[in-house]
Amino acid sequence: DADVTQTPRNRITKTGKRIMLECSQTKGHDRMYWYRQDPGLGLQLIYYSFDVKDINKGEISDGYSVSRQAQAKFSLSLESAIPNQTALYFCATSDSGSGANVLTFGAGSRLTVL
Amino acid sequence: EDKVVQSPLSLVVHEGDTVTLNCSYEVTNFRSLLWYKQEKKAPTFLFMLTSSGIEKKSGRLSSILDKKELFSILNITATQTGDSAVYLCAVRNLQGAQKLVFGQGTRLTINP
Repeated sequence: DADVTQTPRNRITKTGKRIMLECSQTKGHDRMYWYRQDPGLGLQLIYYSFDVKDINKGEISDGYSVSRQAQAKFSLSLESAIPNQTALYFCATSDSGSGANVLTFGAGSRLTVL
Repeated sequence: EDKVVQSPLSLVVHEGDTVTLNCSYEVTNFRSLLWYKQEKKAPTFLFMLTSSGIEKKSGRLSSILDKKELFSILNITATQTGDSAVYLCAVRNLQGAQKLVFGQGTRLTINP
């Protein structure tokens, strides 16, 4: 099993629908992140969490919300999806301290909003 | 605002060639620079660089950081088709220790 598991891997939805992307990890890491990848723009941080009670906005949090249900679970929600949220979404984890630099990524969730 | 710029954005070479990928950055209170390789799925970690002039090496891949000129290079020698991927550069600063700022990536294609 993968260290960081994302579901669903692919999703097509319509404008206005609510979408949830889920992420679970077996690394035992405290820190979890959601990134969005668009062609030519690299990876942009949406939200991050240092522990279950800690949630922080990233660079592009508008239109998104998150929930850290447990140390191992971090979900991303689009309350009302719009076409420009079509992208590849990555969940990532990292250790704290000196290991915090290195992210371990999930395989990605490709979302298409029609 | 912290910024990371990679060049070229796309590169096509023949198997056996040597390539150099570039990453320049503007960041306050630099802490580290990381290189990732992204094939069809998740980015995988290659190197982390924190000090100038010290080369990190793994097989045919190597990387070095210049903190004075604010850039890093990633070299791949004797390229193989399996090196085809998007290579991502990311920078972390001391104040923003919770996040990495990524460049756009360089798409490298190795033709047989």
